[in-house]
Amino acid sequence: EIVMTQSPTTLSVSPGERVTLSCRASQSVNTNLAWYQHKPGQAPRLFIYGASSRATGIPARFSGSGSGTDFTLTISSLQSEDFAVYYCQQYDNWPPYSFGQGTKLEIK
Amino acid sequence: EVYLVESGGGLVQPGGSLRLSCVASGFDFNAAWMSWIRQAPGKGLEWVGRIKSKGGGGTTDFAAPVKGRFTISRDDSKNTVYLQVNSLKTEDTGRYYCAKVYMLTALAFDHWGQGTLVSVSS
Repeated sequence: EIVMTQSPTTLSVSPGERVTLSCRASQSVNTNLAWYQHKPGQAPRLFIYGASSRATGIPARFSGSGSGTDFTLTISSLQSEDFAVYYCQQYDNWPPYSFGQGTKLEIK
Repeated sequence: EVYLVESGGGLVQPGGSLRLSCVASGFDFNAAWMSWIRQAPGKGLEWVGRIKSKGGGGTTDFAAPVKGRFTISRDDSKNTVYLQVNSLKTEDTGRYYCAKVYMLTALAFDHWGQGTLVSVSS
C-alpha cells in the first residue's frame, strides 16, 4: 500500500501570501496524483489531477507540480476563500486510493 | 449539473448493519465508476471502496479495514450506488461520501455528495 504524507499539518498564513503545500508518496505514483480542497460542512472538491492539471473552474492561482514521489500544490496569492484543508491522493497503484492526512490552511 | 445525494446513515449498535444509497444525476451514470469515501470525526479522508461500470466489469475493490464487511452494488436503472455496511465497529463512525471517478485515465474523484452520517455506538 502506498502511504501519502503531507507537510506541514497546519500552515498559518496571511491573505495575499504565496503558499506551497507538500505531498510525498512512499513509492512512485508517476503523475497520478490529485489535490482536493475540503471546507467544513461541504463536500470535498477536486482541484488538481494528473499532478498539474486544474479541474474545471479552479482559479489559475492554484498550480500543482511534481512526479514520482514528491508533489507540491502552490497558491500564488491566498484569498479568504482558500482557507481550508487540502488533501493529496494517489491513484497510480490501487486499491487503495490512498489520501494524505491533510494540510490545514488557517488565517494568521 | 452533477448531483450526488447520499442517504441511509444513522445510529447503529456495534455489530449492526446499514445500507447507504447514493442517487446520481447530471452525467452518464451507466459509464461511471463510483467510489465511497469516509471521514471519521476529526480525521482525514479514507477511501472505502469502488465499483466499476457494468461495461468495465462491474467489479468492486475495498480498503483493508472494511474488506469482507462492506459491499458495493449499483442499480443503473435507478442511477443509484449502494454501500452495504455490516458487522459495524465503533471505528466505522463517520461521514460517508459517494464520489464519481473523473475518467479512466485520471482516477481522481471529480464530484462528491454531501455525505451521510454513520454513528456506531452502544
